[in-house]
Amino acid sequence: AQKVTQAQTEISVVEKEDVTLDCVYETRDTTYYLFWYKQPPSGELVFLIRRNSFDEQNEISGRYSWNFQKSTSSFNFTITASQVVDSAVYFCALNSLDSNYQLIWGAGTKLIIKP
Amino acid sequence: GAGVSQSPSNKVTEKGKDVELRCDPISGHTALYWYRQSLGQGLEFLIYFQGNSAPDKSGLPSDRFSAERTGGSVSTLTIQRTQQEDSAVYLCASSFVEAGGEKDEQFFGPGTRLTVL
Repeated sequence: AQKVTQAQTEISVVEKEDVTLDCVYETRDTTYYLFWYKQPPSGELVFLIRRNSFDEQNEISGRYSWNFQKSTSSFNFTITASQVVDSAVYFCALNSLDSNYQLIWGAGTKLIIKP
Repeated sequence: GAGVSQSPSNKVTEKGKDVELRCDPISGHTALYWYRQSLGQGLEFLIYFQGNSAPDKSGLPSDRFSAERTGGSVSTLTIQRTQQEDSAVYLCASSFVEAGGEKDEQFFGPGTRLTVL
C-alpha cells in the first residue's frame, strides 16, 4: 500500500526563523516520484517540486530546500528565513506505477508565519 | 490558455438542485483530475480521465456525482440533487503524461466554491 504521512498538522514560527516540514512516505515501487505543493490562503494549489526516486541529491531553490532520504523514506521541506508570505498549507504527495501514477496525498501541514 | 481554468468560481445553490462545474485543462495535457476539498481538509480524489481510456471513477462519493470529458479537453462535473454535505471547493487539475505512462506534476485550477443551502 502507498501512503504519505505529514505528521505536523500545524506549525507556527516567527518570521525569519527556519522551519522544516516533514513528509514520510510508503511505497513498494522502486521507481516513484515525490511532490510538494503549496496552497496559500487564496486557495490555488501551486506546484513546488517533483523528485524522481533515483535522484537523492538535495535541492535548493532560493529559500526553499528539500532533503530526500530513501533510507528513512522521507522527503522533508525546509524554508530558510521564513516570511509572512510563506504562510500556507503545504502538501506532500507521491505517485508511482503501483498507483497508476495517481497522486497519493498527505493531509497537509498548515504553516503560520507570524510577523 | 496558459493555465487550468474553472468556472464558475463560486456557485450557491439550493438543496436538491443540480449543478455543473466546468474545467478547461492546459492544452496538451491528456490527464485530467477532479478533487474535492472541504474547509480545512486535504484533497479528496473524485475522478480521473486519461486520453480515450475509461475514466477512473473510484473516488466519486455517490451516484449523484458524474463527470464527462468531451473531445479529450474540457470536462464537466455534475452533481445531481445536491446536498448540504456537497458544499466544498471542487478543484480540477491536468498533467502531461509521458510515453512510459508516468504522469508529470499536476497543475491546478483556482477551484469552484460550491455552497449548498
